[in-house]
Amino acid sequence: AQSVTQPDIHITVSEGASLELRCNYSYGATPYLFWYVQSPGQGLQLLLKYFSGDTLVQGIKGFEAEFKRSQSSFNLRKPSVHWSDAAEYFCAVARNTGNQFYFGTGTSLTVIP
Amino acid sequence: DTGVSQDPRHKITKRGQNVTFRCDPISEHNRLYWYRQTLGQGPEFLTYFQNEAQLEKSRLLSDRFSAERPKGSFSTLEIQRTEQGDSAMYLCASSLAGTGNNEQFFGPGTRLTVL
Repeated sequence: AQSVTQPDIHITVSEGASLELRCNYSYGATPYLFWYVQSPGQGLQLLLKYFSGDTLVQGIKGFEAEFKRSQSSFNLRKPSVHWSDAAEYFCAVARNTGNQFYFGTGTSLTVIP
Repeated sequence: DTGVSQDPRHKITKRGQNVTFRCDPISEHNRLYWYRQTLGQGPEFLTYFQNEAQLEKSRLLSDRFSAERPKGSFSTLEIQRTEQGDSAMYLCASSLAGTGNNEQFFGPGTRLTVL
């Protein structure tokens, strides 16, 4: 069965510092992987996705993620965090049919000045 | 606005009452999904439709829950005899099957509080 683990419940970083949010998945085949961001009162917004090809994917708002099959990981990174990046971040995995997404429990990001 | 919309955004009800939520997907999307998100958790899949056919239901979808998409456009999710454990954010998403990328677009959600 598919599952996603986000080991960090909450992360605090200083504005301008780099960021890495961890995501580990469990899936028997090549997964479809996603990172979403959720701000208070807002819906989930897609940051980036991986289906195949280049294992380093670029997304919106300066985010990138790297798929590492050997580690079953899809970590999200940003070189310099902005105060507006404070939000909840969710990693998700789907089968290639995409019928449903399996989400992690999320990582809450706080950005301090 | 061409995104996914949900109505109402907030619903407060008393235990035992029935509630119904509506989701309007992106117009050309043929797949529609319902998820439930409780505090501190990620969204959990409930069910999905392709056009008007309900193709998959999670074990989370008890018999008090029913979802419909009668004309393959908007969808409703009804919860009968609500319980306090039903308090959650109910999210709707839509996608276009056959595009190969399976990207789901989410609505803002309906927050249900059962007193």
